Amino acid sequence: GAVVSQHPSRVICKSGTSVKIECRSLDFQATTMFWYRQFPKQSLMLMATSNEGSKATYEQGVEKDKFLINHASLTLSTLTVTSAHPEDSSFYICSARDHETKSYEQYFGPGTRLTVT
Amino acid sequence: SQQGEEDPQALSIQEGENATMNCSYKTSINNLQWYRQNSGRGLVHLILIRSNEREKHSGRLRVTLDTSKKSSSLLITASRAADTASYFCASAAGNKLTFGGGTRVLVKP
Repeated sequence: GAVVSQHPSRVICKSGTSVKIECRSLDFQATTMFWYRQFPKQSLMLMATSNEGSKATYEQGVEKDKFLINHASLTLSTLTVTSAHPEDSSFYICSARDHETKSYEQYFGPGTRLTVT
Repeated sequence: SQQGEEDPQALSIQEGENATMNCSYKTSINNLQWYRQNSGRGLVHLILIRSNEREKHSGRLRVTLDTSKKSSSLLITASRAADTASYFCASAAGNKLTFGGGTRVLVKP
């Protein structure tokens, strides 16, 4: 089955620093990847849609200058949380759609837990 | 609000019992999907039901969809302790998935 990986799985950083999270589709190509944020005991909220070779589309209320998304290849999207603050501490999950099958199904990564101290 | 609604928010049952959870969504959809999430982990895709389908089965899972009411239900039959998890519905419109608030299910052995 389609596998999506994320790296790192956990990261602790100091307030004011930047953190980069990688999302990779391991055995398929993904023209579109999605980034979600999930706070404890809450649901997933879509942050942005990442399109290979073009700018990401951000959801309302998500600061594009704070959450930088780069989708440089068909298998890799990165999310950089810039100048992180404690309120950015969350579980960040990416997903990807299979370019070839054009399936509706999104394959989810295992998530990255970010803690900002 | 971006999210749909799910109820109940939490459900506690004995092993062997059935678990039913409901989901409502707000817009027209292509399909509706159900996911499971174990604590602190990623999502596992359970089942997808298309907008022109009314019911779908997969193993111990049964999903219904009522597009006139913009609602869906997930039934887990003969539950097991390993079914303990949070369950989320996600309505799909175009490229996007909009997740419901989730139902936390505890199956007691």
